Parts: sequence; C-alpha cells; structure tokens
Amino acid sequence: GIQVEQSPPDLILQEGANSTLRCNFSDSVNNLQWFHQNPWGQLINLFYIPSGTKQNGRLSATTVATERYSLLYISSSQTTDSGVYFCAVEETSGSRLTFGEGTQLTVNP
Amino acid sequence: GEEVAQTPKHLVRGEGQKAKLYCAPIKGHSYVFWYQQVLKNEFKFLISFQNENVFDETGMPKERFSAKCLPNSPCSLEIQATKLEDSAVYFCASSPFDEQYFGPGTRLTVT
Repeated sequence: GIQVEQSPPDLILQEGANSTLRCNFSDSVNNLQWFHQNPWGQLINLFYIPSGTKQNGRLSATTVATERYSLLYISSSQTTDSGVYFCAVEETSGSRLTFGEGTQLTVNP
Repeated sequence: GEEVAQTPKHLVRGEGQKAKLYCAPIKGHSYVFWYQQVLKNEFKFLISFQNENVFDETGMPKERFSAKCLPNSPCSLEIQATKLEDSAVYFCASSPFDEQYFGPGTRLTVT
C-alpha cells in the first residue's frame, strides 16, 4: 500500500515563529488532506489539497503531486496551534485515507 | 446535520463484553468511514460504506467486528467480545465523494 511520511516528528516553537511541515507519499494520489488534532483529540480539517496552493489565514499548504510531497506552512504561530498535524492521502476517489504518523507541534508562550 | 456526530463519547467495557458505537454522518454525504486510533499517532482504517452498502471492509477484524449503515438510522460499529487491544479512539468520517470530515470520536476503554 501507499506510504506516507511526515517530518519532523516533533517541533517546538516560540510563539510568533514560523514553521514548515512536510509530507511525502510513495505513489500518485487522488486526494490529500491536512488535519490538526488538538489536545482534546478533535480532528480539524485544515486543507483539502490534491494539488496546488491554498491559504487560510496564517496557514497555507502546497502540494506538488508530480513530486509526491506536500508542505504545510504555519506563520506567526500561537499557543493554540499546539497539537498533532496529520497528512492523509486517498489513492482513489471514495477510498480510505492513509495517514502519516504526524508532527507533534508545541508552541510555547 | 452539518457535523458528523458520534455517540457515546466514552465507553468502558470489561474484557469479553460487547461494545456498540454510533455515527450520524453529515446529511447528503454518501460515504462513511470508520478508523481506529490506537496509539497516539497511528490511524487504522476499518471499513467504509457507500450509502448502505459496504464499500471496503479490508481493514475489519471480521471475527469480532461488524458494522452497518441502514437507511434513516445512524451507522453502527459493533465489537463482540472486546479485548484489551481494542482500547482506542474510534473515529467516524463522512464524505460526499472527496474530502472526509471526522466526528469527535468515541473513546473505548476495555478493562
């Protein structure tokens, strides 16, 4: 099956810093999503981004499908950004998501 | 509704007891998925439905796990004879055909 690798596994930032999280995948995909799992365990949809670039406030994401990677940018980080960020891919329409192992982000005040 | 709803939030069962979890997908979404988050960062796919039909069940431990999505009823995931290793958070997700939206999860603790 498809492999999804995320880096770095852990990231500690001071409030206000910027960061880039990476997701590599081993095969072509139909869909790629970024999620934030907050400290209460909720999975929050950040981006649906099979290709191209999207921005939402302080967050943006870019997927280069031909090179099989996606990047999530967090600017001016806040303590509420803390949690685990997951990348997940779908190989064909309507099929399961395969998750990476996540990046644990801690933003200190 | 506009959000995926899951009940109960928490469930505690003794080993060998039955557990039943429920999921109400977003109205109009034709796909429903069940995932198990066992370790903190590990998601395992269990089963998916397209409307009330099983779409993909390759992740299901069939000897103890079963699931249904019947018309006009919440979807359900049932575990017969729970084992300690079934302790996990079970997430339901729904999708119109592309982006998946997740519910808040049910935390199952098997003692």
